[in-house]
Amino acid sequence: SQQGEEDPQALSIQEGENATMNCSYKTSINNLQWYRQNSGRGLVHLILIRSNEREKHSGRLRVTLDTSKKSSSLLITASRAADTASYFCATDGGGNTPLVFGKGTRLSVIA
Amino acid sequence: DAGITQSPRHKVTETGTPVTLRCHQTENHRYMYWYRQDPGHGLRLIHYSYGVKDTDKGEVSDGYSVSRSKTEDFLLTLESATSSQTSVYFCAISEATRGLSGELFFGEGSRLTVL
Repeated sequence: SQQGEEDPQALSIQEGENATMNCSYKTSINNLQWYRQNSGRGLVHLILIRSNEREKHSGRLRVTLDTSKKSSSLLITASRAADTASYFCATDGGGNTPLVFGKGTRLSVIA
Repeated sequence: DAGITQSPRHKVTETGTPVTLRCHQTENHRYMYWYRQDPGHGLRLIHYSYGVKDTDKGEVSDGYSVSRSKTEDFLLTLESATSSQTSVYFCAISEATRGLSGELFFGEGSRLTVL
């Protein structure tokens, strides 16, 4: 399986701090995506970065992609209590194949 | 929010009984997926569909079957439920433009407990 792996498994920070989560994957990709899941809810798409992109921003989110290292990072700046959730990276296999998800990082933002 | 409805949202059943979960979409998206989510495993793909009557297996398809007779409905069937199929099941959909690696829209999940 070309499953991505997030690191760390769990992260606890104070409100206002930045949160960084990492994802490593095994095969070539067309794109890498990040999703958020609030407790008891479905996943919500956050951002997609293509294999020919190195960095992408969306509001307080910053995603980087290093295809040579097969890794990506998600940075959430100035975190809020509402950012408390699990965050997942998802990758395709470089062809027309469904996304494969990592096991996620549980982020707790303490007010 | 994408128009995706899963039913039932919660179900408790006994080992050996058949179970069908339904996913209904109002977005007319081409692709539909069933994932299961378990502690320590993240989300794993069970089956997916790329059109009416066109389905394929995912990573953990054993013990599951699917059907898609209409664009809007994707059914997941456990012919004879086992305790190892206790899980939260998520349906997802995606548009045709990016193929299978496009952005997914998820339903709210169906929690299944097999006793």
